Amino acid sequence: GQNIDQPTEMTATEGAIVQINCTYQTSGFNGLFWYQQHAGEAPTFLSYNVLDGLEEKGRFSSFLSRSKGYSYLLLKELQMKDSASYLCAVRDSNYQLIWGAGTKLIIKP
Amino acid sequence: IAGITQAPTSQILAAGRRMTLRCTQDMRHNAMYWYRQDLGLGLRLIHYSNTAGTTGKGEVPDGYSVSRANTDDFPLTLASAVPSQTSVYFCASSAGGDTDTQYFGPGTRLTVL
Repeated sequence: GQNIDQPTEMTATEGAIVQINCTYQTSGFNGLFWYQQHAGEAPTFLSYNVLDGLEEKGRFSSFLSRSKGYSYLLLKELQMKDSASYLCAVRDSNYQLIWGAGTKLIIKP
Repeated sequence: IAGITQAPTSQILAAGRRMTLRCTQDMRHNAMYWYRQDLGLGLRLIHYSNTAGTTGKGEVPDGYSVSRANTDDFPLTLASAVPSQTSVYFCASSAGGDTDTQYFGPGTRLTVL
């Protein structure tokens, strides 16, 4: 079966750095997405990786290793507004997105 | 309208009733999707449409139907609602291309009693 694994919850301190990991086992691979979802709101797109390596976008970076079935989202200079759930999704061989359950990130002052 | 809209925002429904969730996008995206999101689970695809006039089944299609008469609208119908269909429903759309990023509507919170 297809599976996306992420930690359920993480806690970090304002101003610090946090890394959210995602491992996947899917039938085929056609890209990996990270989305941010604030409580009660819709998911919003953060990043996309299809080749191995690091993609940097401001305070957020996303890394992919296809051989290891692994990605991480790195958030720097954490702000209180970064408190949200972070969703990892993989596009499979049918070009459908398979979603992880999300990681709830709690930021403490 | 800017982006994707969904209606209603929330609804409480008696079991056995028919319900249509509405979704409209103004981005001229070819593809549209319906997901449900339940606590502790990832988003699960119910139905999708790659272009107007075509639809396909996702991971959890039973009890749901969709239609795609034009590019902008993609309604989801529950023919006879059951309590297990209590969930938050998100509509999304994508333009295609290399990234084919999906953009989400604000969601409909549905409770079936």
